[in-house]
Amino acid sequence: GAVVSQHPSWVICKSGTSVKIECRSLDFQATTMFWYRQFPKQSLMLMATSNEGSKATYEQGVEKDKFLINHASLTLSTLTVTSAHPEDSSFYICSAMPGLGPDTQYFGPGTRLTVL
Amino acid sequence: GENVEQHPSTLSVQEGDSAVIKCTYSDSASNYFPWYKQELGKRPQLIIDIRSNVGEKKDQRIAVTLNKTAKHFSLHITETQPEDSAVYFCAASTQAGTALIFGKGTTLSVSS
Repeated sequence: GAVVSQHPSWVICKSGTSVKIECRSLDFQATTMFWYRQFPKQSLMLMATSNEGSKATYEQGVEKDKFLINHASLTLSTLTVTSAHPEDSSFYICSAMPGLGPDTQYFGPGTRLTVL
Repeated sequence: GENVEQHPSTLSVQEGDSAVIKCTYSDSASNYFPWYKQELGKRPQLIIDIRSNVGEKKDQRIAVTLNKTAKHFSLHITETQPEDSAVYFCAASTQAGTALIFGKGTTLSVSS
């Protein structure tokens, strides 16, 4: 149980285009999902907390107009990178928590974004 | 906010030896401390976690200890095997529903 999927697993896009990444909890409902980015050989940096039915909470330094997050259902959160630039190239990973119970977070497989 | 420091950044051991990775945290309100293993290009996998009401937890070759007074926790891997080679991250969170704050990671290399 507790499986989280992400789509796509990798994407290559041209500079200036927008890319949408989906994060789904397959066998549980997630009131809270988190989005992280990870540069090569670095740690996971929290970008934002996504709560179903409300606006996402962004970490300091993360542009909310550039990284649009929508958590429209209890099983789906999306991250849209708008007007992508090469410096946005990274590994984006989501995680989901089942309800308000244990703190265990389950991670998606990640999405490798390359902006040319 | 919470800050998690992790040491060492790299660790090389011989197969069969023990490996210890240490983390410190800054927020005394933190009460959940998981450890994740991440292989190259893969998602982080939870290997063990501990809550603030417990001082030690063990699962086969893996154990975690927590010292709330000193605000540090450690991962212990005994009888290391080559397949233990990966990047290990510690993390902390303050309450249910909040995000994890990760340490910078430790690259463990186990040579046979």
